[in-house]
Amino acid sequence: AQSVTQPDIHITVSEGASLELRCNYSYGATPYLFWYVQSPGQGLQLLLKYFSGDTLVQGIKGFEAEFKRSQSSFNLRKPSVHWSDAAEYFCAVGSGYALNFGKGTSLLVTP
Amino acid sequence: NAGVTQTPKFQVLKTGQSMTLQCAQDMNHEYMSWYRQDPGMGLRLIHYSVGAGITDQGEVPNGYNVSRSTTEDFPLRLLSAAPSQTSVYFCASSYSGGSGYGYTFGSGTRLTVV
Repeated sequence: AQSVTQPDIHITVSEGASLELRCNYSYGATPYLFWYVQSPGQGLQLLLKYFSGDTLVQGIKGFEAEFKRSQSSFNLRKPSVHWSDAAEYFCAVGSGYALNFGKGTSLLVTP
Repeated sequence: NAGVTQTPKFQVLKTGQSMTLQCAQDMNHEYMSWYRQDPGMGLRLIHYSVGAGITDQGEVPNGYNVSRSTTEDFPLRLLSAAPSQTSVYFCASSYSGGSGYGYTFGSGTRLTVV
């Protein structure tokens, strides 16, 4: 069965510091992986996705993620965090017709 | 091009009432799905459809019905609302293509059952 684990419920980083959000998945076939961001009271915004090819994926807002098959991971990174990055981040794995989401990581950015 | 439209945006129901959450897409996407979002639980799949007339259950289907008579519409019915169904509901449409899969989410319906 598919599953997604985001080990960190909350993360606090200082503005300008680097960020890494962890995501581990369990999936029987080739995984299709996504990262979404959600600001309070808002909908979901796609940051990036991975289907095949280059394992380092570039997304919007300066985010990137690296697919590591040997570790079943798809961690999200950003070299320098801005206060506007404070939000909830969701990793998801799935197919064309449905996604399985992690429980999310809440990011707090301090001055 | 409106994408995925969900109505209503907010709804308050009394326990035992029934209602339908509407979801419509105008992108001719083959697949559609419903999720509920609860604090600390992420988004959980309720039902999904792989085409008109074809639906299947997801992780948390109890208390919900769906049907898909057209490609565009995928309504979610609450048969007898319970406080445990208080949640934010998201509908999505998706496709498979040469570049993989693409998902479009609606803006959500915030449902409170009292």
